[in-house]
Amino acid sequence: EAQVTQNPRYLITVTGKKLTVTCSQNMNHEYMSWYRQDPGLGLRQIYYSMNVEVTDKGDVPEGYKVSRKEKRNFPLILESPSPNQTSLYFCASSLSWTTGTSSYNEQFFGPGTRLTVL
Amino acid sequence: AQRVTQPEKLLSVFKGAPVELKCNYSYSGSPELFWYVQYSRQRLQLLLRHISRESIKGFTADLNKGETSFHLKKPFAQEEDSAMYYCALKDRDDKIIFGKGTRLHILP
Repeated sequence: EAQVTQNPRYLITVTGKKLTVTCSQNMNHEYMSWYRQDPGLGLRQIYYSMNVEVTDKGDVPEGYKVSRKEKRNFPLILESPSPNQTSLYFCASSLSWTTGTSSYNEQFFGPGTRLTVL
Repeated sequence: AQRVTQPEKLLSVFKGAPVELKCNYSYSGSPELFWYVQYSRQRLQLLLRHISRESIKGFTADLNKGETSFHLKKPFAQEEDSAMYYCALKDRDDKIIFGKGTRLHILP
């Protein structure tokens, strides 16, 4: 079954304790992305990756890191989590789209990871 | 700076009545715009994209460059349309910007 998986689904941690949220897709997608969803703010893009070893900042990258060493995985790393990073996080993937043309491919979203930082 | 605005946090509409979810954008250039939907306890999923000019589940959206709008419309609301709707824009750097979302509540 084609899907995007995230782990863990729920996490409660304390300020400053490094954590990683994994994201994996089995659709051979080039493009992967992380979002956070907050009440009243909707979805905001944190980081995205056009392909292996290519990552770019989204709208709210501060406090986060990502890596893309393999095509299928795109982990989100919080080196020193803070309470303002308490949120619902979504990973998404899609086929790449060609720059300069209007060829957009649908993003497939993971189930979400609810993170609480105390 | 690019921005996507959905002015309504909540929209309540009677079943059978027309629906219009508003989306306005700010972007210098030719935008690519989309609507995403999130039903209760389900993942976010693409509803439609402006380049396809398609109608999905009875919904349509027309890009109006003069008004910088991409409103989502449906002539007759159904109870299963109750969900959270997000308008999104893709910029030239392939960054995705979402609006804050509008919760559509269909009244019986």
